[in-house]
Amino acid sequence: DVKVTQSSRYLVKRTGEKVFLECVQDMDHENMFWYRQDPGLGLRLIYFSYDVKMKEKGDIPEGYSVSREKKERFSLILESASTNQTSMYLCASSLFASGIGAYEQYFGPGTRLTVT
Amino acid sequence: LAKTTQPISMDSYEGQEVNITCSHNNIATNDYITWYQQFPSQGPRFIIQGYKTKVTNEVASLFIPADRKSSTLSLPRVSLSDTAVYYCLVYSGGYQKVTFGIGTKLQVIP
Repeated sequence: DVKVTQSSRYLVKRTGEKVFLECVQDMDHENMFWYRQDPGLGLRLIYFSYDVKMKEKGDIPEGYSVSREKKERFSLILESASTNQTSMYLCASSLFASGIGAYEQYFGPGTRLTVT
Repeated sequence: LAKTTQPISMDSYEGQEVNITCSHNNIATNDYITWYQQFPSQGPRFIIQGYKTKVTNEVASLFIPADRKSSTLSLPRVSLSDTAVYYCLVYSGGYQKVTFGIGTKLQVIP
């Protein structure tokens, strides 16, 4: 079974703090993703990575950065947390499909971050 | 990336068949149509994927017409546990920058 784990289920941070959200997958997947989910806005892609040290911006990268030093680990960093970054953060991973076809994404349980 | 349009919400009674239609007018030749299901407080999970015609698995069926500009997810005889948000995605391989959007919130009524 593919397993994607996230470091915390719930996190409370203060405005201005630097926040690290960690994601680890155990299936040797090339692709990893960070999303945030907000009521009425659905699931939005922040960043994704298709290889170690490689990253691509998603639809809403502002205020975030990422790090992928090892294949199994993908970190989301909030350099200076703000209240509008209060959200559910979801990590996912998938194989890299080099031809046609698309591999499914496997999601972690999510981290509910509150910034006060 | 192909944009998808699906209803924001649907209600259904238990035991009925539910069909959720998604339109994707600018689908590319290499794109696959993929549906995910999300329960409250959980991440989405893959339920079905297809390229053309019909695909069926133990959870759902996916109907895709010849022009591939739309697709229909069919859930047979829904139960209360099928209450969830269903996302229609269209994407191909490679870098897989995908868009989930808002999805369709299905409420199954006793």
